[in-house]
Amino acid sequence: EIVMTQSPATLSVSPGDRPTLSCRASQSIGSSLAWYQQKPGQSPRLLIYGASTRATGIPARFSGSGSGTEFTLTISGLQSEDFAVYYCQQYSDWPPITFGQGTRLEI
Amino acid sequence: QLQLQESGPGLVKPSETLSLTCTVSGDSITTRSYYWGWIRQPPGKGLEWIGTISFSGNTYYNPSLKSRVTISPDTSKNQFSLRLNFVTAADTAIFYCARQMSWGAPFDYWGQGTLVPVSS
Repeated sequence: EIVMTQSPATLSVSPGDRPTLSCRASQSIGSSLAWYQQKPGQSPRLLIYGASTRATGIPARFSGSGSGTEFTLTISGLQSEDFAVYYCQQYSDWPPITFGQGTRLEI
Repeated sequence: QLQLQESGPGLVKPSETLSLTCTVSGDSITTRSYYWGWIRQPPGKGLEWIGTISFSGNTYYNPSLKSRVTISPDTSKNQFSLRLNFVTAADTAIFYCARQMSWGAPFDYWGQGTLVPVSS
């Protein structure tokens, strides 16, 4: 099973900041990495797939990078609606599909 | 517009079977290349993949749950279902159904989720 590790668990930020969230895979997954955003009481929303491709309708301030075992999600110009929990997920080698434990962006 | 909606009982007793249905509208669950999954999230915790069924009915399960899980299709109703046997309080979670556009794709459409407490 591929273990996904996200850091930090919580990130304190302010509107306008440029936070970088990290995700590490326990073995190489190529570019088979997705990022999701989850707001309280809502379902996860796909932000990024293929490590760096924005999903339909996702603003350009969200960008993903990385390959192999190290990945990052960067939000350029943080907006108030971006405060949420972010999860990474690998879909390279499954079953099982595995998620990271999440990074919470808080004010 | 693709929509997924989970439904099922609001409460399950320990040792019983949890049964949920995902109703899909806007596309067919038998559309070639689509895969349909179940994911759960204990309150306040992270996401755990339970299993996936393909457009052709092939199933794939999380090894940690495989002995207790069955996912099956009902093509006449455009639904797919989850059964989780011998539940305990640790199975209390929000259950989501979601779509993968192809083998090895992320989940691009999600249902709103349904909370299923396990309690006597």
